[in-house]
Amino acid sequence: EAGVTQFPSHSVIEKGQTVTLRCDPISGHDNLYWYRRVMGKEIKFLLHFVKESKQDESGMPNNRFLAERTGGTYSTLKVQPAELEDSGVYFCASSQDRIGTQYFGPGTRLLVL
Amino acid sequence: QKEVEQDPGPLSVPEGAIVSLNCTYSNSAFQYFMWYRQYSRKGPELLMYTYSSGNKEDGRFTAQVDKSSKYISLFIRDSQPSDSATYLCAMTSYNNDMRFGAGTRLTVKP
Repeated sequence: EAGVTQFPSHSVIEKGQTVTLRCDPISGHDNLYWYRRVMGKEIKFLLHFVKESKQDESGMPNNRFLAERTGGTYSTLKVQPAELEDSGVYFCASSQDRIGTQYFGPGTRLLVL
Repeated sequence: QKEVEQDPGPLSVPEGAIVSLNCTYSNSAFQYFMWYRQYSRKGPELLMYTYSSGNKEDGRFTAQVDKSSKYISLFIRDSQPSDSATYLCAMTSYNNDMRFGAGTRLTVKP
């Protein structure tokens, strides 16, 4: 069974540009999560989808971040316009149940210059 | 004060040693406690999952939860060089998103 995949693995962009990260969860997992780890800090929750609906987006830093999960399958996280402080590793995770085991993807390393 | 406190290390031990990792937390609502292992350039991988207080053992790994002290531990027996990684504690309740510790970087030297 394929695990959670994320694309791209790395992205280097300039301040003010737009970047879109993609996450493909494990097939059949209704729950999809986005997390971020900035350098030197702990992994922090961004938002949680149940199928195509946003269950909890309390962790989204500001309105420059937009997450979608059309059709309840893969999800995208767009940052527009990107700022220097957005640099970090963005992880996606999926689970079958709300409190079930979350399986993490390898992350997308974003560097904003 | 952070909700979850974890000593970032680094921690270096000789092969075969018993490793003790721990986290403290402040939110008494947390009921589910996890330990993740993360190798360099990879995503976190779930190692242990416990509900409420008590012990859970899986091979060389033992997780302990003491809710009265708001303290969780992970013990690794007969540590191996392949155990070298960053270990993250995480916890949640049904209505809360998951909170992570900062991670402890462990090196097991042959």
